[in-house]
Amino acid sequence: EPEVTQTPSHQVTQMGQEVILRCVPISNHLYFYWYRQILGQKVEFLVSFYNNEISEKSEIFDDQFSVERPDGSNFTLKIRSTKLEDSAMYFCASSEEGPLYGYTFGSGTRLTVV
Amino acid sequence: RKEVEQDPGPFNVPEGATVAFNCTYSNSASQSFFWYRQDCRKEPKLLMSVYSSGNEDGRFTAQLNRASQYISLLIRDSKLSDSATYLCVVTDHAGNNRKLIWGLGTSLAVNP
Repeated sequence: EPEVTQTPSHQVTQMGQEVILRCVPISNHLYFYWYRQILGQKVEFLVSFYNNEISEKSEIFDDQFSVERPDGSNFTLKIRSTKLEDSAMYFCASSEEGPLYGYTFGSGTRLTVV
Repeated sequence: RKEVEQDPGPFNVPEGATVAFNCTYSNSASQSFFWYRQDCRKEPKLLMSVYSSGNEDGRFTAQLNRASQYISLLIRDSKLSDSATYLCVVTDHAGNNRKLIWGLGTSLAVNP
């Protein structure tokens, strides 16, 4: 079964540092997403990406965050100047068109900011 | 009103029991509805989409009531492996930007 791959599985970084979270979506999917889940809280939408540009972003996704699809297969989330409250699981997801397909999620990157 | 509201539980049931989860959503423009399952510290996995006419997949039955903005999930003959958090998820609006709005989840523990 096709899967979304995320690396690294766990990232520890010092406050103020920049991190890049990497994702390889399913190859024939057209829509890509980043979500995050702070421990014990609900999954939150960060950003959606389609046709090589951001199609929607949440209020969480401020100037500290950016996304890129540099080479047609990878989809990255960059967090600049990390804060303690950025500690969370970050999930990448991709989907085909169609209203009832749902998403396929990667296994996530656990980001710990110390 | 919360966008997607679920009873957090936990629901503790014996093996073989039937258990039902409910969910309400606030955005009447939502077009697609899903139940996801999440094991502890793992990614959410799609359990089933929810269709207007209701749908069944083995031991799982999902129902949607658009008028009441209410979604349900019924699990029959529960197994130990059904222990997880069940997340009610709706789309923010129709179209290509299918942002998902998530409930906090309902925790289920199936006991031997």
